[in-house]
Amino acid sequence: AQSVTQPDIHITVSEGASLELRCNYSYGATPYLFWYVQSPGQGLQLLLKYFSGDTLVQGIKGFEAEFKRSQSSFNLRKPSVHWSDAAEYFCAVGASSASKIIFGSGTRLSIRP
Amino acid sequence: DAGVIQSPRHEVTEMGQEVTLRCKPISGHNSLFWYRQTMMRGLELLIYFNNNVPIDDSGMPEDRFSAKMPNASFSTLKIQPSEPRDSAVYFCASSWSGTGGGTGELFFGEGSRLTVL
Repeated sequence: AQSVTQPDIHITVSEGASLELRCNYSYGATPYLFWYVQSPGQGLQLLLKYFSGDTLVQGIKGFEAEFKRSQSSFNLRKPSVHWSDAAEYFCAVGASSASKIIFGSGTRLSIRP
Repeated sequence: DAGVIQSPRHEVTEMGQEVTLRCKPISGHNSLFWYRQTMMRGLELLIYFNNNVPIDDSGMPEDRFSAKMPNASFSTLKIQPSEPRDSAVYFCASSWSGTGGGTGELFFGEGSRLTVL
């Protein structure tokens, strides 16, 4: 069964600084990987996804993530954060497009003015 | 196109009462998921359906919980009887997982916040 770990519960970065949120997954084959963002009181919105092809994927709002099979990781990055990026970020993994999607525990991002 | 629609948005009930949460997935989507979100346990998958058929309900906490999907445009999650520990935000999400481009991307509703007193 697949699983996903987000080791950082809470991260604070200064506005304009770069960001990297960590995600490690466990799955035997090539997984379907996702990053979602949740603002307070809202549902989750997809930032980006990976299931095949180029291991560096671009998403919305200037985010990108890189799939590294050797490290079982799918870290989320942004070169320069904005105050509006403050939210909860979830990494998720699935075995296929029709399988269940399991979410990590989330990383709360705060932005320092 | 309308997104995933959940109702009610907020529900406050007393312990022992029956609670029914409703979800209308995005038209054309063939997979539907019910998640529960709490501070302590995060986002837990309760059950998911493919083509209206329950595929995996291993996340349903107890027999008090049941879910149905009578057709492609409607699903319910029922708790009977409800308990205070059921208090959480319940999310419904749908996706297209078929051939021809299905990637399993989930589209979430805004959630139903349940408080059981």
